[in-house]
Amino acid sequence: EDKVVQSPLSLVVHEGDTVTLNCSYEVTNFRSLLWYKQEKKAPTFLFMLTSSGIEKKSGRLSSILDKKELFSILNITATQTGDSAVYLCAVEATGGGSNYKLTFGKGTLLTVNP
Amino acid sequence: GAVVSQHPSRVICKSGTSVKIECRSLDFQATTMFWYRQFPKQSLMLMATSNEGSKATYEQGVEKDKFLINHASLTLSTLTVTSAHPEDSSFYICSARGPYSGNTIYFGEGSWLTVV
Repeated sequence: EDKVVQSPLSLVVHEGDTVTLNCSYEVTNFRSLLWYKQEKKAPTFLFMLTSSGIEKKSGRLSSILDKKELFSILNITATQTGDSAVYLCAVEATGGGSNYKLTFGKGTLLTVNP
Repeated sequence: GAVVSQHPSRVICKSGTSVKIECRSLDFQATTMFWYRQFPKQSLMLMATSNEGSKATYEQGVEKDKFLINHASLTLSTLTVTSAHPEDSSFYICSARGPYSGNTIYFGEGSWLTVV
């Protein structure tokens, strides 16, 4: 069974701090790793990573994948209160079956205080 | 980015009735759609995967006869919760991918179902 583990489960920081969220995985037939931000509704897409060592960047957010060590990190610099959300890591794999599907971690609840 | 629309966003139904939730990909052809369920403060649990024109593949523990999934076209999938019970109350989210969504999986806005 595919597993995705995120840490920490929750994090409280002050505005301006930099945070690093972790995601490790054990899956069969890895295809990609995706990061999502979830506020009160459905998740919004942040990054999709398929290759090791290539950083993806969008504004203050960046992410990188290590396929040898089976983990990814999501960095947020100069955090703002609007960054407060649950950050979900998901890995797309077959799990030994014939179809690719996403397995989600439990998420990291980030709270940014003013 | 690609847009996936889900409707209704909120629905309340009586116990024993059926309710249908629609998931549409608005600007790309979704060859695969996924349905998830999320309980409060928990992560998303995959219920089933549907490929256009074929039967859905359900995850272990998900009742096929209770959660009917239809993916009749490249832009529409529906989830029907049949004979709903209060324990079916949850947040249901669909996601979609297609050859022109860059292989990325995009999510709909989700549907809150309350069974009373």
